Amino acid sequence: DAGITQSPRHKVTETGTPVTLRCHQTENHRYMYWYRQDPGHGLRLIHYSYGVKDTDKGEVSDGYSVSRSKTEDFLLTLESATSSQTSVYFCAISAQAYGYTFGSGTRLTVV
Amino acid sequence: KQEVTQIPAALSVPEGENLVLNCSFTDSAIYNLQWFRQDPGKGLTSLLLIQSSQREQTSGRLNASLDKSSGRSTLYIAASQPGDSATYLCAVSVVSGGGADGLTFGKGTHLIIQP
Repeated sequence: DAGITQSPRHKVTETGTPVTLRCHQTENHRYMYWYRQDPGHGLRLIHYSYGVKDTDKGEVSDGYSVSRSKTEDFLLTLESATSSQTSVYFCAISAQAYGYTFGSGTRLTVV
Repeated sequence: KQEVTQIPAALSVPEGENLVLNCSFTDSAIYNLQWFRQDPGKGLTSLLLIQSSQREQTSGRLNASLDKSSGRSTLYIAASQPGDSATYLCAVSVVSGGGADGLTFGKGTHLIIQP
């Protein structure tokens, strides 16, 4: 979707290294989210934000941190990547009348 | 904890058939229900959004209904086409006093339309 972009699209990293994924929106929506998608588990919420500097944990937040210094950017950091964090990561934005819009995803491989 | 179940997990039908995908959720105190489509290796595309005060939404050959009291939603696809082949995901957002705090997803129905 043109209103939300994720970078990078693909990344391979080594175990123990820090990794930051970026989500950028042009819709000026208040709410932003990070999900991961894994076979057999579906999509699970990692963290979400309800405003600049306002964030909260989701279902699978261990090993992840987030930051939101501007309305348009929401960063997800894996502080020390592990193989269990190999996944596809999706960012989403939401507005009451429009529901949720998802980015194209980042495929992360931890080796 | 809200749980969302989608039945069937997989479905293969010949082109032209009308079909129904089912979604159930355990907590009826939902804010919205949204149906998505996901093609292999791609992101999620929103198909239909039903707000809690609504009972159904329609877009082209798609119709989604919502019955909060029974915790169910159905997605009806009319005159199916091979291009409809994808995974269909149902998701609900929960009522929250502080605002939206995310969607809970079902695991999806993998749909194949045979030419």
